[in-house]
Amino acid sequence: EVQLVESGGGLVQPGGSLRLSCAASGFTFSSYSMNWVRQAPGKGLEWVSYISSSPSTIYYADSVKGRFTISRDNAKNSLYLQMISLRDEDTAVYYCARDKGNTAKVACDIWGQGTMVTVSS
Amino acid sequence: QSVLTQPPSVSGAPGQRVTISCTGSSSNIGAGYDVHWYQQLPGTAPKLLIYGNNNRPSGVPDRFSGSKSGTSASLAITGLQADDEADYYCQSYDSSLSGVVFGGGTKLTVL
Repeated sequence: EVQLVESGGGLVQPGGSLRLSCAASGFTFSSYSMNWVRQAPGKGLEWVSYISSSPSTIYYADSVKGRFTISRDNAKNSLYLQMISLRDEDTAVYYCARDKGNTAKVACDIWGQGTMVTVSS
Repeated sequence: QSVLTQPPSVSGAPGQRVTISCTGSSSNIGAGYDVHWYQQLPGTAPKLLIYGNNNRPSGVPDRFSGSKSGTSASLAITGLQADDEADYYCQSYDSSLSGVVFGGGTKLTVL
């Protein structure tokens, strides 16, 4: 079964750090580009970051640029999001999502169940 | 404010047809980038509904269809059913932002 499972969420104080992980299974992880997408409580979807399969190409949303770092380990079938200098507005459910290929221009066809990040003192 | 604009809500009676619009600009939809649509049921992860403007993944009923013209796209749902009640999001790529953009989402209510 094709599956993505996020982990690493939790409660963190403003200014703190957190590292999210996404474990992929059931497909050739190294062939697909991946994304992190978040959803604040009661709000819509917000794209956070993209990484190509190799991973030669990386993009970030302006709201997280300089604070978040996306990475992947194809040998471990895993995607990561290192988050530093966290702010209240980073509070959200964070989803990892697989692209239908190896480009940011295609749809995300597989989504994880999400992991909640709460930034609060 | 989202780069892609969707109506906050739409509604329709069972069996009716509804459409949800997604308006972009010359750096995303108008630049020729594909539009994709997602359905998010309460408390669940988004699910891909339409990809590449008008293609349905396996398992998605043909009651759902997509179209694109100029700087806009639309999702049409025919034969509305109670379990279609959900939030719907459009997505594309933006060359000015060098990234993925989502619409703000539309809540569909089945009356």
